[in-house]
Amino acid sequence: KNQVEQSPQSLIILEGKNCTLQCNYTVSPFSNLRWYKQDTGRGPVSLTIMTFSENTKSNGRYTATLDADTKQSSLHITASQLSDSASYICVVSANSGGSYIPTFGRGTSLIVHP
Amino acid sequence: ETGVTQTPRHLVMGMTNKKSLKCEQHLGHNAMYWYKQSAKKPLELMFVYSLEERVENNSVPSRFSPECPNSSHLFLHLHTLQPEDSALYLCASSQERADPTIQYFGAGTRLSVL
Repeated sequence: KNQVEQSPQSLIILEGKNCTLQCNYTVSPFSNLRWYKQDTGRGPVSLTIMTFSENTKSNGRYTATLDADTKQSSLHITASQLSDSASYICVVSANSGGSYIPTFGRGTSLIVHP
Repeated sequence: ETGVTQTPRHLVMGMTNKKSLKCEQHLGHNAMYWYKQSAKKPLELMFVYSLEERVENNSVPSRFSPECPNSSHLFLHLHTLQPEDSALYLCASSQERADPTIQYFGAGTRLSVL
């Protein structure tokens, strides 16, 4: 069964600090992995998307890594800001003839305090 | 703004009511999706439409009935819902259905079934 596990479930940090969110998956056959940011009361917004051959991808202060061998990904947030407070969702897609078959994680709730 | 608009933003309905959720995208995309997001649970993909044709129905109860009259509009018709159907319903669109693809989400409709 395809699964995506995220940790921690929630995280509280001070503004300006760095943090790392984890995503472990058992999705097969692997197609790609995405990280989304979801603000309260809003829909998810794509941060990064990585395919099998990509190890790291950055989007501003967000850097995602992918280890396809260990089936792990991380999202590193540098110099956190209050606006980073949100839920971060890891989504892994299986390859099925080019169709989109996603498996979603439950998300990590991040709170950044001033 | 993501270019995907959902109405209404909030909806309260009784179990015997009939209501519809509306989604409109202004991005020229060919694929549209309905998701259900319940508290403490991962996002669940409900329906996928590609070029106005329903291509996936992930074992969703028949009390949820989607409709895609054209590539810009997507509806979710609701009837005789149960309290456990209370959730955030998210609409998304993408350029095409093939993976990998970036999805753009609406802000969602918060549904409460009494």
